[in-house]
Amino acid sequence: DGGITQSPKYLFRKEGQNVTLSCEQNLNHDAMYWYRQDPGQGLRLIYYSQIVNDFQKGDIAEGYSVSREKKESFPLTVTSAQKNPTAFYLCASRGLELAKNIQYFGAGTRLSVL
Amino acid sequence: AQSVSQHNHHVILSEAASLELGCNYSYGGTVNLFWYVQYPGQHLQLLLKYFSGDPLVKGIKGFEAEFIKSKFSFNLRKPSVQWSDTAEYFCAASNFGNEKLTFGTGTRLTIIP
Repeated sequence: DGGITQSPKYLFRKEGQNVTLSCEQNLNHDAMYWYRQDPGQGLRLIYYSQIVNDFQKGDIAEGYSVSREKKESFPLTVTSAQKNPTAFYLCASRGLELAKNIQYFGAGTRLSVL
Repeated sequence: AQSVSQHNHHVILSEAASLELGCNYSYGGTVNLFWYVQYPGQHLQLLLKYFSGDPLVKGIKGFEAEFIKSKFSFNLRKPSVQWSDTAEYFCAASNFGNEKLTFGTGTRLTIIP
């Protein structure tokens, strides 16, 4: 079954704690993305990666970090520096044609602060 | 700065009513335009897309959108909505060949049976 798998579905973070959100894809896509969704604000780009071992900051990268050691995987770490982490996090990957930039999304992880 | 605007934050319609959701973008150059839909509890999924050619594009579930370059608009339409169309709808845009996709703030659509 091809697609993008995000885990966990729900995650709770304590003060001062780093948490990592998982994103795996089996679509053989090179590019992957992380977005944050807040009510009334749409989706905002956190980080993206066009190829293994390379990634770029998006519009709201502060307080987040990523890695891209494998083509299939693009984990996002929400660090203790992110003061307002409560949100819905969406991972996406892009189809093979950069010119068209069609992105496919996972089911999301909802992060809350305890 | 590149941006996408959706001015309708919450739209409530009765079944069988016609729908039009507004989307305006501020992009220079060649632009790719998208509508995504997020049904309750489901993945964000692509509804339709415009790259070039016929400015009237048709998507899944009877939706269509019209690209009007002079108005920088890409409004979503459906002639007769159903209760199952209740969802959040996002307009998005990117420049041709650019990695970054910019989303609007979304429109929540509620259909009353």
